[in-house]
Amino acid sequence: DSGVTQTPKHLITATGQRVTLRCSPRSGDLSVYWYQQSLDQGLQFLIQYYNGEERAKGNILERFSAQQFPDLHSELNLSSLELGDSALYFCASSVSASNQPQHFGDGTRLSIL
Amino acid sequence: GIQVEQSPPDLILQEGANSTLRCNFSDSVNNLQWFHQNPWGQLINLFYIPSGTKQNGRLSATTVATERYSLLYISSSQTTDSGVYFCAVEADSWGKLQFGAGTQVVVTP
Repeated sequence: DSGVTQTPKHLITATGQRVTLRCSPRSGDLSVYWYQQSLDQGLQFLIQYYNGEERAKGNILERFSAQQFPDLHSELNLSSLELGDSALYFCASSVSASNQPQHFGDGTRLSIL
Repeated sequence: GIQVEQSPPDLILQEGANSTLRCNFSDSVNNLQWFHQNPWGQLINLFYIPSGTKQNGRLSATTVATERYSLLYISSSQTTDSGVYFCAVEADSWGKLQFGAGTQVVVTP
């Protein structure tokens, strides 16, 4: 058990819909990362938050947004969903913003029908 | 951006065999991490290893940062070692990891 909690584990929805993925980092970790794993793109970094502030952005679509709340949990919002958004979405956390091991949650498997 | 290449892409081992997985990266990095994705999809951090050698049970890893590569050794493999092994590098000061494509390992009884 990594200590990073992601909910839900599975999500099935339709094109055009909006979903919210939730992540609770390990106790004491201030930094949260979101990654997307798909068959064609592999594991891709989406966005990082540190202590409530956005710190780095990767290849995150404009239809996607995220935030980190004062209790340090984070949410990833995906809107206007397309078939290509089907993927495994991971949240990871680390103690500080860089040069630290990252520990991953079990992921949310999103299926768009 | 930085390129991360893993080899071999696939590996089939008989239980008890030893193996070496390689990760090459195209530029200097702040750190390197090895992960195991098990058949249930969970990503487990095996090593945080910016340089030098570390051991954890039957697994060990070596990173030679000056030559831009890292090696993961699996000794006396077990069926539970099956899965995909990823190396990931942190190339800037922002913490984001750049992953390789992975090595798919199958250990047969």
